[in-house]
Amino acid sequence: AQTVTQSQPEMSVQEAETVTLSCTYDTSESNYYLFWYKQPPSRQMILVIRQEAYKQQNATENRFSVNFQKAAKSFSLKISDSQLGDTAMYFCAFMKHYSGAGSYQLTFGKGTKLSVIP
Amino acid sequence: DTEVTQTPKHLVMGMTNKKSLKCEQHMGHRAMYWYKQKAKKPPELMFVYSYEKLSINESVPSRFSPECPNSSLLNLHLHALQPEDSALYLCASSQAWRGRASYEQYFGPGTRLTVT
Repeated sequence: AQTVTQSQPEMSVQEAETVTLSCTYDTSESNYYLFWYKQPPSRQMILVIRQEAYKQQNATENRFSVNFQKAAKSFSLKISDSQLGDTAMYFCAFMKHYSGAGSYQLTFGKGTKLSVIP
Repeated sequence: DTEVTQTPKHLVMGMTNKKSLKCEQHMGHRAMYWYKQKAKKPPELMFVYSYEKLSINESVPSRFSPECPNSSLLNLHLHALQPEDSALYLCASSQAWRGRASYEQYFGPGTRLTVT
């Protein structure tokens, strides 16, 4: 079974600053996907960024980037130039990649509540 | 269009009521999911449909009954719920290929359910 650990229950950052959210995972799989989802107080779960395990290059999406360390099983999210709209719960998630019923399941971490302070 | 819609946004129901939650997507996705989310917790998977067939039921009580009438629509029928079933119910969809789900799941805004 996979586990995803987010060790920071809450974090805060000043507007325009940079913040890094941590995520580690445990798996015996070699082929998988990792995601960061954002859930603002409005509650819609939004996909922020994804990473395929077979890709060595770290994914980036505008102000969001990841530091993917496969050997260390670490997948941190860096938010640059933080904005008030980044205030949200951030979930790290893992998905295996193989056929069969189990392939559909996202395993979520417990989340990190990020507050951006004006 | 990466939109998943859910209705209603809020629902209050008694323990003897029967109600339904609705989810719709028009992205051509053939895998659809129901999740239950309690406050300050991550979503918990309930059901997965792939090509309109139920492929995963995560040991959900029978008072929750999913239905997938077509490739765009997913329902969750509720009957004789308990107060502990009060939660945010999220629907998601993703591509599915040869019975496997592709990796990106897109979530709807959720239905906030309160059971009195």
